[in-house]
This record gives sequence, structure tokens and C-alpha cells, in this order.
Amino acid sequence: NAGVTQTPKFQVLKTGQSMTLQCAQDMNHEYMSWYRQDPGMGLRLIHYSVGAGITDQGEVPNGYNVSRSTTEDFPLRLLSAAPSQTSVYFCASSLTPPNEQFFGPGTRLTVL
Amino acid sequence: GQQVMQIPQYQHVQEGEDFTTYCNSSTTLSNIQWYKQRPGGHPVFLIQLVKSGEVKKQKRLTFQFGEAKKNSSLHITATQTTDVGTYFCAGTNTGNQFYFGTGTSLTVIP
Repeated sequence: NAGVTQTPKFQVLKTGQSMTLQCAQDMNHEYMSWYRQDPGMGLRLIHYSVGAGITDQGEVPNGYNVSRSTTEDFPLRLLSAAPSQTSVYFCASSLTPPNEQFFGPGTRLTVL
Repeated sequence: GQQVMQIPQYQHVQEGEDFTTYCNSSTTLSNIQWYKQRPGGHPVFLIQLVKSGEVKKQKRLTFQFGEAKKNSSLHITATQTTDVGTYFCAGTNTGNQFYFGTGTSLTVIP
């Protein structure tokens, strides 16, 4: 099993550009989530999904969209990047909440 | 909104000393998880506590969940250099949304 994979590992964007962060898991987990990690602020939940076709907002959803068309994939879209979105983004999955969460390696995003 | 605070933010210890990090929630939690993140890495699950007053041990690590289910602690006995990293608590009251603490960064001086 590859576990939770994320692409890309690094990305630099200009303000106003859009992009999609990819996340996939091969553990047949129902629950998937996106977090952002900023210095001194821990991890903050952006969006989550409890199954294919079901998504909901977390603590800091503004500026981000998600969809869950399959159990395996949970992409995160930045519609119009802003410098405030410079962060490290982690995708996580678990069998069902609130069980152990498995994290991907992260995507380090810089918005200029 | 729900807040989970964690103290201290940083801790430097001599190898062999003990270490404790504390997690406090503004609301009652249904359960709490603890994670460890090595520098440059991703969070890795350590344990989950569910019951009021629960205490669990993993070798040199002892985890506690408060009687009121609003606080938790992680204690490491006789730290080793392999314990270096940031320790996060993550609490939930709905099961679907976890609120992470700000983390405690542990440095172990050989």
C-alpha cells in the first residue's frame, strides 16, 4: 500500500493563479480531509469528506474548493491564489471518523 | 468556535530528563488524539483517548485524558534524541472535525 499520496511536493504560484493539489489514498478509507499548517498555529482543517459525493467545510474553508467523486481521490482547488495561502498543506484519511488519521507527505505552497 | 490550546510551545531538555505537554480545550471533547511530527515530516498518529480519566502507556510515553474531557497530557519519561519533534493533540466533539493544538516542539540535548 502506498498510503496517502500528495502531489506536487512543492509549488510556487503567482497571486491570482489557480491550481489543484492532488490527494489519493489506497486504503479504502471513507474519511478524507485537508489541513493547512502555518508556523505557531498547528494544523487547521480546511475541508473534509465522509464519503464519495459528500464534502463539508472545516475551520478555514474560504478560498478553497473540494470534490469527492471517488473514494480514493480528494483534490483541493485554489481558485485564485493569494499570499495568505502560502502554507504547507496536508491531506489525511481515516477508515471512519474519529479513528486514526493517516497523513500524506504534504505540499509546500508559496504564493508570490 | 472551538479552541484547543497547547503548552508549552517549545521545550528544551537534556537527554534523560522528563517532558510533558498539556492540551486544553474550551469545550468538552468526545475523544482526543496525539500525533508526532518530525522536522520536515508529516504528523504520525500516536494514540487516541476516549474515556474520561483514561490513562494509556506506550513504553516511555504516558497519555492522560482529563476527568472532564477538556484536557489531556503527554508525558515522556527519560527522553531520548529519537523523541525530537513536535507533538500535537487533536480533539473532536462531533467526530468529523478535529481541532489541533498549536503543538509543542521538543528539542533533546545529548
